[in-house]
Amino acid sequence: QVQLQESGPGLVKPSETLSLTCTVSGGSINNYYWSWIRQSPGKRLEWIGYIYYSGSTDYNPSLKSRVTISIDTSKTQFSLRLTSVTASDTAIYYCARELFSGDGFNIWGPGTMVIVSS
Amino acid sequence: DIQMAQSPSSLSASAGDRVTITCRASHDISNYLAWYQQKPGEAPKLLLYAVFRLETGVPSRFSGSGSGTEYTLTISGLQPEDFATYYCQQYSSRPYTFGPGTNLESK
Repeated sequence: QVQLQESGPGLVKPSETLSLTCTVSGGSINNYYWSWIRQSPGKRLEWIGYIYYSGSTDYNPSLKSRVTISIDTSKTQFSLRLTSVTASDTAIYYCARELFSGDGFNIWGPGTMVIVSS
Repeated sequence: DIQMAQSPSSLSASAGDRVTITCRASHDISNYLAWYQQKPGEAPKLLLYAVFRLETGVPSRFSGSGSGTEYTLTISGLQPEDFATYYCQQYSSRPYTFGPGTNLESK
């Protein structure tokens, strides 16, 4: 059974770079789209972007200038970098996998809280 | 971006009740619609996709319908474990977007 686990610093200073990694276990990283999604306190879910196992990416235009998602298939990991963070980037960050058909996200990591504060 | 709205924003019900949550999209999303359940401290869980298709393991008391810009999630015979927040999500076009959520509380 495929499981996802986010990891990375829980506290990031304003203007610095947020870096998170999602480790995929129990299954292949191939042939799927892998996304990052965040949820600010009391706010709705926001899709940040995805990466296909081949390396192709797509990002939310609202974050595109600051986001990079990369993948390391040999380690079955994919990563998120978000530059120039501000307090508004404080959120729970989830990694997630789409259904093979592309219909929604059926596997999620437990999420990791990232606070942006000096 | 396609904007998603949900109603009601909160709902009180009792075990055994039948409840309906509505999701409206700002554009036709051609049935590319999923529903999620989220409990406090947990990640969202996929319930239905493509409007009415149940994710594996999801009880049949959950059902979905709709088309175009308006969709509904119905829970028939609420169980205690169903009290949670529910989100709709469109995947018709990127960026994928979610509704603001409906908080289903026990009356």
